[in-house]
Amino acid sequence: DAGVIQSPRHEVTEMGQEVTLRCKPISGHNSLFWYRQTMMRGLELLIYFNNNVPIDDSGMPEDRFSAKMPNASFSTLKIQPSEPRDSAVYFCASSFQGSTEAFFGQGTRLTVV
Amino acid sequence: AQSVTQPDIHITVSEGASLELRCNYSYGATPYLFWYVQSPGQGLQLLLKYFSGDTLVQGIKGFEAEFKRSQSSFNLRKPSVHWSDAAEYFCAVVGNNDMRFGAGTRLTVKP
Repeated sequence: DAGVIQSPRHEVTEMGQEVTLRCKPISGHNSLFWYRQTMMRGLELLIYFNNNVPIDDSGMPEDRFSAKMPNASFSTLKIQPSEPRDSAVYFCASSFQGSTEAFFGQGTRLTVV
Repeated sequence: AQSVTQPDIHITVSEGASLELRCNYSYGATPYLFWYVQSPGQGLQLLLKYFSGDTLVQGIKGFEAEFKRSQSSFNLRKPSVHWSDAAEYFCAVVGNNDMRFGAGTRLTVKP
């Protein structure tokens, strides 16, 4: 298996633009997590899905952030409109059942200018 | 919700010296505990995990960790650090099916 695949690896966008981050979990995994990593706040859980259903989105910072998982093999994290303070590395991770170890993608480094 | 505390933001050790990274968790039931390592510009790689049973768990790269319920701790250890161990280390706890991470400890290895 190729592991968790995230795209793009790097994204630079202007403030106010819409940004969509993509994630393909490991085949067979039924839990998917989105994390944001910054120097100031460390690794924060934004939202996680079990069996494509959002379970806890309390970590989503604002209404500008939304996440979807239309099927077991794909998820998106969208920021609209983006702001400079959204600049961070966004990680997607998947696991087989939420209680086992999570496998991480390489992350998407987002820069909003 | 569960939480994790890593008291040390940054640790520097000499190559060949022993290492212990601290992790304390808060969770009402028996947690699932993990240590991950992150090299610069990379994702997180699992070092080891504890689910149940033997409280001393062995991981990759010569790391081990000990679960101590009485202290709510899951400290990571390595007897002899190598220069390639320089990275950031994250402790994580799973409860209620979501994984929460500590703030991380950055390890610097001196020659």
